[in-house]
Amino acid sequence: GENVEQHPSTLSVQEGDSAVIKCTYSDSASNYFPWYKQELGKRPQLIIDIRSNVGEKKDQRIAVTLNKTAKHFSLHITETQPEDSAVYFCAASQGGSARQLTFGSGTQLTVLP
Amino acid sequence: NAGVTQTPKFRVLKTGQSMTLLCAQDMNHEYMYWYRQDPGMGLRLIHYSVGEGTTAKGEVPDGYNVSRLKKQNFLLGLESAAPSQTSVYFCASTETSGGYNEQFFGPGTRLTVL
Repeated sequence: GENVEQHPSTLSVQEGDSAVIKCTYSDSASNYFPWYKQELGKRPQLIIDIRSNVGEKKDQRIAVTLNKTAKHFSLHITETQPEDSAVYFCAASQGGSARQLTFGSGTQLTVLP
Repeated sequence: NAGVTQTPKFRVLKTGQSMTLLCAQDMNHEYMYWYRQDPGMGLRLIHYSVGEGTTAKGEVPDGYNVSRLKKQNFLLGLESAAPSQTSVYFCASTETSGGYNEQFFGPGTRLTVL
């Protein structure tokens, strides 16, 4: 089955700096890569996703890049703000009719004021 | 529109007790999922359903059973709870049209097994 590795497990940045979280996946058939944000005690919520026919996608201060050859994808957050502090999860879908997601282990991002 | 709801929010069990977690969604989604979340391990899929009356095993199904008797509900059962099942359980659902779509999560159930 699919295996998703996520790094780093914790990341601290100063407010206004950029943050980058990286994930690698094992199944070359995976073609959908969402990122979820989970605030303390809350449910995971989708913040951005990318499909394998696209190399990069942006949404305001958030961007995701995908390198299919190397089987890795990254989340970039620019101009970080304290409200960006949360746990971020990457995921990959190995296809199939059930659209199952395999999640990475998460990154605790702390934005220091 | 409540989205995805879960009952109960918290529960404490003793080893060997049984319980059922209820997930309900009002978005008419076909696909529903049960995950468990443990520190440092992300979300792991327990069981899932691609429609009313169907269920299938995910990554960590042992010790759990599920049922999808109605499209809007997905039940997760623990027949004989063990301390290793202490976790936060999330239900999610997604629609099937238009390719891959967002999985919407419920608020979670925090389960402690003593």
